[in-house]
Amino acid sequence: QQQVKQSPQSLIVQKGGISIINCAYENTAFDYFPWYQQFPGKGPALLIAIRPDVSEKKEGRFTISFNKSAKQFSLHIMDSQPGDSATYFCAARSNYGGSQGNLIFGKGTKLSVKP
Amino acid sequence: DSGVTQTPKHLITATGQRVTLRCSPRSGDLSVYWYQQSLDQGLQFLIQYYNGEERAKGNILERFSAQQFPDLHSELNLSSLELGDSALYFCASSGYSQSNYGYTFGSGTRLTVV
Repeated sequence: QQQVKQSPQSLIVQKGGISIINCAYENTAFDYFPWYQQFPGKGPALLIAIRPDVSEKKEGRFTISFNKSAKQFSLHIMDSQPGDSATYFCAARSNYGGSQGNLIFGKGTKLSVKP
Repeated sequence: DSGVTQTPKHLITATGQRVTLRCSPRSGDLSVYWYQQSLDQGLQFLIQYYNGEERAKGNILERFSAQQFPDLHSELNLSSLELGDSALYFCASSGYSQSNYGYTFGSGTRLTVV
């Protein structure tokens, strides 16, 4: 069964600090790795994504690091701000069989950035 | 506005009742996914439809059913409701494009069963 394991479950960071959320997957049948950001009472929204042929992608304060050999990827939020307080979900897109195109989500990380 | 429309935004109903949640996918997207999210929990995948056909099933209870219509909108039917069914229900849609192979989520329907 395809799985994406996400850690930590919750994270508290001081304003200006670096937030790091990690994810690991168990097989190689994935071709796209997005991160979603969800504010309370709202739907998840795509934040940033990476393909497995790239080791790093940066968009503003958000960076995805991807380690294909270790089957791990992580989200780094630089200069974390209180407005970044949200739940973050990593995901991996299946590229085979009947589940092709489907996203497998991690369980989420609740980030709190303290002023 | 994500382009995925869910109605109603809020729903309060009594135990034992039946409700229907509606989702209109983003224009051009053929796949619709339904998720349940209980308080401070992750996204529980319920069911997927692709161009009118059921494609994948997750942890969907037998009391729940869904369908996708020819115009691609989808409905999630929840029956014999229990207190534990109170949750946020999200619909997401996806299509194939160069820039985005992910899902676009709607803003959700908050169901409260009393």
